[in-house]
Amino acid sequence: AQKITQTQPGMFVQEKEAVTLDCTYDTSDQSYGLFWYKQPSSGEMIFLIYQGSYDEQNATEGRYSLNFQKARKSANLVISASQLGDSAMYFCAMREMKDSNYQLIWGAGTKLIIKP
Amino acid sequence: DSGVTQTPKHLITATGQRVTLRCSPRSGDLSVYWYQQSLDQGLQFLIQYYNGEERAKGNILERFSAQQFPDLHSELNLSSLELGDSALYFCASSRTAGGSTEQYFGPGTRLTVT
Repeated sequence: AQKITQTQPGMFVQEKEAVTLDCTYDTSDQSYGLFWYKQPSSGEMIFLIYQGSYDEQNATEGRYSLNFQKARKSANLVISASQLGDSAMYFCAMREMKDSNYQLIWGAGTKLIIKP
Repeated sequence: DSGVTQTPKHLITATGQRVTLRCSPRSGDLSVYWYQQSLDQGLQFLIQYYNGEERAKGNILERFSAQQFPDLHSELNLSSLELGDSALYFCASSRTAGGSTEQYFGPGTRLTVT
């Protein structure tokens, strides 16, 4: 069963607009974590933001914020005031415990293109 | 620059061959993770080492193996290569074995099997 679902394979957004990238997850663990990573065309994976399941506040890092809705099992990434350099693949990942060890389970990604 | 280094950056080889990918984690990081990213797909977790010991195993084929050395660098060995093994292979490192610690990724090794 899909544990991390990113329903938007691709998105086009006008520069300077805010954009929301969707991520829903499935877990029966009480303690888990959610990550967002950015992968530009150059290929490297860049950590953006982290949200723990017990964190009461939504995580924020500069222009990135995570809209965490625990009951709905969603962890959407919000990018404010988008820039051309935000064009990239974005991956949502969940840390879960498996066989007494933590593993990251990854979504299929969303390709974001910012239009000038 | 994440501080994680991977060599080589690109590798082209033929089916049936064996290759070794190398990773040096960030200074102070004890955990190393290996991932495979096939074209236009998400990451598949292969294996994790923590301070020299295998910690977790994902969808790693029997033809693949890895190890982490006392200086904490890690190598991923891929043998009897098939066309389907062509992918971007990432190494990531983190301070601890998991938890809330984010993973820092190297630039990846792009493997092309012809």
